[in-house]
Amino acid sequence: QKEVEQDPGPLSVPEGAIVSLNCTYSNSAFQYFMWYRQYSRKGPELLMYTYSSGNKEDGRFTAQVDKSSKYISLFIRDSQPSDSATYLCAMGSSNTGKLIFGQGTTLQVKP
Amino acid sequence: DAGITQSPRHKVTETGTPVTLRCHQTENHRYMYWYRQDPGHGLRLIHYSYGVKDTDKGEVSDGYSVSRSKTEDFLLTLESATSSQTSVYFCAISDRDREDIQYFGAGTRLSVL
Repeated sequence: QKEVEQDPGPLSVPEGAIVSLNCTYSNSAFQYFMWYRQYSRKGPELLMYTYSSGNKEDGRFTAQVDKSSKYISLFIRDSQPSDSATYLCAMGSSNTGKLIFGQGTTLQVKP
Repeated sequence: DAGITQSPRHKVTETGTPVTLRCHQTENHRYMYWYRQDPGHGLRLIHYSYGVKDTDKGEVSDGYSVSRSKTEDFLLTLESATSSQTSVYFCAISDRDREDIQYFGAGTRLSVL
């Protein structure tokens, strides 16, 4: 069993839809959680970062962490074609300083 | 790309040849990482460095070595490339104040024939 599981998709939605991307994890030692966005043939770029359970909002993006269920989500409101990319969840702990990544979910937003 | 330059950006080589990939940073970050990215596996850590001459293995280190003789450069070497090492390789650096946030370079696409 992988430490971090992420549905690879692909996920296709119409423009304006609400998108939900999810990851589950097994290691209760994870302390911080991130979402990266990766456009085709580019490097991953940090989108959201959080240490705690609960919600964190940034514009159209909301990151949600539920440590008791070992489940994190990224919500995208009013999705745009420019949101078409692969989204990678990542998590880690201060003990190791290393990140463990999910497999990535490929999202396509159709105009 | 957070001051990270990877070179070369693309490389095609033959099985059994040595290959060195370079990661150069301009912002004096302490931590540097090498990952490979393959379909179905996401990003997997190969090696990382926490200072000059200080390196450690990651999840998939077999067949790879690294060196860091200067703060700004982190080299990844495939001593004898194999077809299973065909992949996209990413270098990452950690923020100076919070080493848990990593920033990535643009990647090197390597094909081993």
